[in-house]
Amino acid sequence: EDQVTQSPEALRLQEGESSSLNCSYTVSGLRGLFWYRQDPGKGPEFLFTLYSAGEEKEKERLKATLTKKESFLHITAPKPEDSATYLCAAYPSGTYKYIFGTGTRLKVLA
Amino acid sequence: DAGVIQSPRHEVTEMGQEVTLRCKPISGHDYLFWYRQTMMRGLELLIYFNNNVPIDDSGMPEDRFSAKMPNASFSTLKIQPSEPRDSAVYFCASSLQGWQPQHFGDGTRLSIL
Repeated sequence: EDQVTQSPEALRLQEGESSSLNCSYTVSGLRGLFWYRQDPGKGPEFLFTLYSAGEEKEKERLKATLTKKESFLHITAPKPEDSATYLCAAYPSGTYKYIFGTGTRLKVLA
Repeated sequence: DAGVIQSPRHEVTEMGQEVTLRCKPISGHDYLFWYRQTMMRGLELLIYFNNNVPIDDSGMPEDRFSAKMPNASFSTLKIQPSEPRDSAVYFCASSLQGWQPQHFGDGTRLSIL
């Protein structure tokens, strides 16, 4: 069964304290992996797409990487405004049905 | 550019009533997706359309749920009759092509009393 698992469920960081969020997937014939940010009361906001192992994408303090079994979202020197829930999603071959993880709730303290 | 627009933002109704949620996708996007988000189960895909045609409705929980897309700029998700366990946030998303990123609306928070 196709599955996406994120860890940790919640993470508290001090401002400037770098860390990584993990997204493990078991998806038949992975076609794409996406990272989203979700703020309270809002819909998920697209961050990155990764299509093949070894690929990396960067945006400001965020960097996403992909291996054959997992993806990481690295946050460098986070700020309080980076506080949000981060979701990853994967879709297998033959369909465009995203399978979402349950997210990591990130809190960055000033 | 306008994003995905959903209405209403909040809906509170009594059990047994019909509920209709509405979505306007981003202009030019060929794919439209309906999701449900709960604390217990996270984001679950209910149904998706390509060029107004339903492609996969295997996530629709039961016959009380139905979705339509009469044209490229409008879709509805209907629940009839509604039950308290249908309470959740319902999101609509659209994408240019199926393999491209989905862009989400801000959702409808549905409460069934």
